[in-house]
Amino acid sequence: DAGVIQSPRHEVTEMGQEVTLRCKPISGHDYLFWYRQTMMRGLELLIYFNNNVPIDDSGMPEDRFSAKMPNASFSTLKIQPSEPRDSAVYFCASSLVDRKGWMYFGPGTRLTVT
Amino acid sequence: QKEVEQNSGPLSVPEGAIASLNCTYSDRGSQSFFWYRQYSGKSPELIMFIYSNGDKEDGRFTAQLNKASQYVSLLIRDSQPSDSATYLCAVSRYSSASKIIFGSGTRLSIRP
Repeated sequence: DAGVIQSPRHEVTEMGQEVTLRCKPISGHDYLFWYRQTMMRGLELLIYFNNNVPIDDSGMPEDRFSAKMPNASFSTLKIQPSEPRDSAVYFCASSLVDRKGWMYFGPGTRLTVT
Repeated sequence: QKEVEQNSGPLSVPEGAIASLNCTYSDRGSQSFFWYRQYSGKSPELIMFIYSNGDKEDGRFTAQLNKASQYVSLLIRDSQPSDSATYLCAVSRYSSASKIIFGSGTRLSIRP
């Protein structure tokens, strides 16, 4: 398996622009997680899905952030409008319910908002 | 109070020695505990998980859990330069894969 795939790997955008991050989980995994990592705040859970259904989005910072999972093999995280404080590395991870926490992380998307 | 707390380090340990990494958590309902390793510029990878009080050993790694003290630790025996990384402690309230909360990580440096 190719592992968790994220795109783009790097994104530089200007404040106010819309940003869409994409994730393809490992085939057969039934959980998908979006995390954000910064030096100041560490690794923060934004939202997670189980069988394509959002279970907990309490970590989404504000209404500018939205996430979807239209099918088992694709998820998006959208920021509209983007702000400089959104600059971070965004990780997508997937897991199987019977593997009890063994999450496989994607390579991450480094987002810079100028 | 943060949900999962770790000393940020850096923790410097000579090659061949034992590295000891510690973590405390605030939610007494936590049931699952994990250690992830993250090399600079890379994504986290799971190296240990533990659910019950006591020790769990896997090769050079030992995870220790004390639920009464809300304390988790990771011991790395015979430390190697390749162990130099940031170690993230993670905790989940549930016994499945859901909602895993990470600490900010401890940076470990193994000096030759």
